Amino acid sequence: EADIYQTPRYLVIGTGKKITLECSQTMGHDKMYWYQQDPGMELHLIHYSYGVNSTEKGDLSSESTVSRIRTEHFPLTLESARPSHTSQYLCASSEWGWSSSGYTFGSGTRLTVV
Amino acid sequence: RKEVEQDPGPFNVPEGATVAFNCTYSNSASQSFFWYRQDCRKEPKLLMSVYSSGNEDGRFTAQLNRASQYISLLIRDSKLSDSATYLCVVKGGGGADGLTFGKGTHLIIQP
Repeated sequence: EADIYQTPRYLVIGTGKKITLECSQTMGHDKMYWYQQDPGMELHLIHYSYGVNSTEKGDLSSESTVSRIRTEHFPLTLESARPSHTSQYLCASSEWGWSSSGYTFGSGTRLTVV
Repeated sequence: RKEVEQDPGPFNVPEGATVAFNCTYSNSASQSFFWYRQDCRKEPKLLMSVYSSGNEDGRFTAQLNRASQYISLLIRDSKLSDSATYLCVVKGGGGADGLTFGKGTHLIIQP
């Protein structure tokens, strides 16, 4: 059973539109992350949060923004989508002392900007 | 040199065979190591952590060689369902827990 949920699962949208990718987890994890992954390529960290009102940029520069108003919710927003944003976006969460449990990933949102 | 390097494969292996692949890391101060499994178009899932003394989970054995800075994953008696991409993950530097994902090794088990 998934404890971290991402919606939508697939999204095809026109250039210039504003979009928000949703991510929610029911595990009470403080830490949450957004990764971007192109087909056959490695995951790149684009945003992360260590708790409510905490947001940080990741290793890969991204034009997206995030917010963390509630522990369970970590949405990602693109103000103006472009074809270069076409990718898979994966949300993950972990607890403090995650060394043994690792990250739990959501099923991802596959975004296509046309 | 990349932080985490893996042979992308694909490794084509007959069912029942034993297969092993390595992952090298560049940061000698790296603290924790993991193997994740990612099926096609799915999210990564933790397969196993890698402990200094090596560890085994059923048909899977993970080993760490700090001197040579690599970790390995060995799969015995491979099953068709083992076909997937195996991601090496290393903690040691960088943002968000300092976790770096390798590009993955693609494994195909053939009947």
